[in-house]
Amino acid sequence: EIVLTQSPGTLSLSPGERATLSCRASQSVSGRYLAWYQQKPGQAPRLLIYGASTRATGIPDRFSGSGSGTDFTLTISRLEPEDFAVYYCQQYGSLPRTFGQGTKVEIK
Amino acid sequence: EVQLVESGGGLVQPGGSLRLSCAASGFTFRSYWMTWVRQTPGKGLEWVANMNQDGSEKYFLDSVKGRFTISRDNAKNSLYLQMNSLRAEDTAVYYCAGDNRGVFDYWGQGTLVTVSS
Repeated sequence: EIVLTQSPGTLSLSPGERATLSCRASQSVSGRYLAWYQQKPGQAPRLLIYGASTRATGIPDRFSGSGSGTDFTLTISRLEPEDFAVYYCQQYGSLPRTFGQGTKVEIK
Repeated sequence: EVQLVESGGGLVQPGGSLRLSCAASGFTFRSYWMTWVRQTPGKGLEWVANMNQDGSEKYFLDSVKGRFTISRDNAKNSLYLQMNSLRAEDTAVYYCAGDNRGVFDYWGQGTLVTVSS
């Protein structure tokens, strides 16, 4: 099983600032099969990024993903008020599918 | 508009059973793999099971193998999760999700399962 470790656990930033979230895998994620999701309180997760760097339909270009192998990054270039949420990475290169424990982006 | 609506959650005693349903609309359900994911405050998001379009392939999290079964009815655009021998650690919000080659691009709102005496 691939274990995903996200850091930091919490990121305190102001609107307009840049957010950089990390996701590290315990072993290489084949094919860059890494996705990112956003979750707000009381809501289901929403797909943001798949294939490590491809934005899902309707996702603004301030969200970008990068990385390969065991190290992946989600960057939000300029935080909007609606971006304060919890973000999860997920690998789908092997079974079982696994998620990171999440990074909370909170308003400073 | 894509909609996935889960139902069937509730309070059940340890050792009991529950059947979750997920009604899909707004996309070609019969063409999609489907997945169940659960979420707890302690363990976060956890993939539980998935199945392919015609039910010939099914995969399960090790901790639920032999206790949970996944099924679907493409004529009814519905996905199911039969949960038997429930344990306290199965307590979670259960989501059904559209599984696009491992990427979960559609999610329901979730249904809460509580296993407690």
